[in-house]
Amino acid sequence: DVKVTQSSRYLVKRTGEKVFLECVQDMDHENMFWYRQDPGLGLRLIYFSYDVKMKEKGDIPEGYSVSREKKERFSLILESASTNQTSMYLCASRTTGITDTQYFGPGTRLTVL
Amino acid sequence: SQQGEEDPQALSIQEGENATMNCSYKTSINNLQWYRQNSGRGLVHLILIRSNEREKHSGRLRVTLDTSKKSSSLLITASRAADTASYFCATDGKAGGGADGLTFGKGTHLIIQP
Repeated sequence: DVKVTQSSRYLVKRTGEKVFLECVQDMDHENMFWYRQDPGLGLRLIYFSYDVKMKEKGDIPEGYSVSREKKERFSLILESASTNQTSMYLCASRTTGITDTQYFGPGTRLTVL
Repeated sequence: SQQGEEDPQALSIQEGENATMNCSYKTSINNLQWYRQNSGRGLVHLILIRSNEREKHSGRLRVTLDTSKKSSSLLITASRAADTASYFCATDGKAGGGADGLTFGKGTHLIIQP
């Protein structure tokens, strides 16, 4: 069964802290994605990676960075958290091939105080 | 940028009725997908329809695609309380495909009244 896990369901951090959000998939997928979801704005792509050590900016990369040292793990980093980064963060993965179906993790609700 | 836009934003119906949601998009696509999200959870893939298909069924779901109008609809028949969720359409947005993330609409929040 397909599985994408995220390190935390809920996280509370303070402004200026460095925040790591971890995502792990067990499907041997090449492609992994980080989205944030906000009311009224839907899901927006932050970064994606199509291979180990490869990364590409999405629509809203400002204030974020990512790391993909192993195929199964894709980390989202907030170098200096700000209150406007309070959001639901969703990780997804996808294999390379005909289908574009993405498999999502349960999400991390991050609150920055 | 938002490609898919769902309509309506919210829909409340009685259990047993059919629910129809619509999605419009702007650019050429390879395929269009529908996802469901239960409150506070991740998204679950429901169905994918390719640009050369006009209609697709999966259980109680029926999806149509009209590439000339750049629109799609999702029909859920014989709705159940468990269908209460938000529904999103997503497009790849690139005719050439690739590893880019999907572009999601803002979703339709469906409430099934018992």
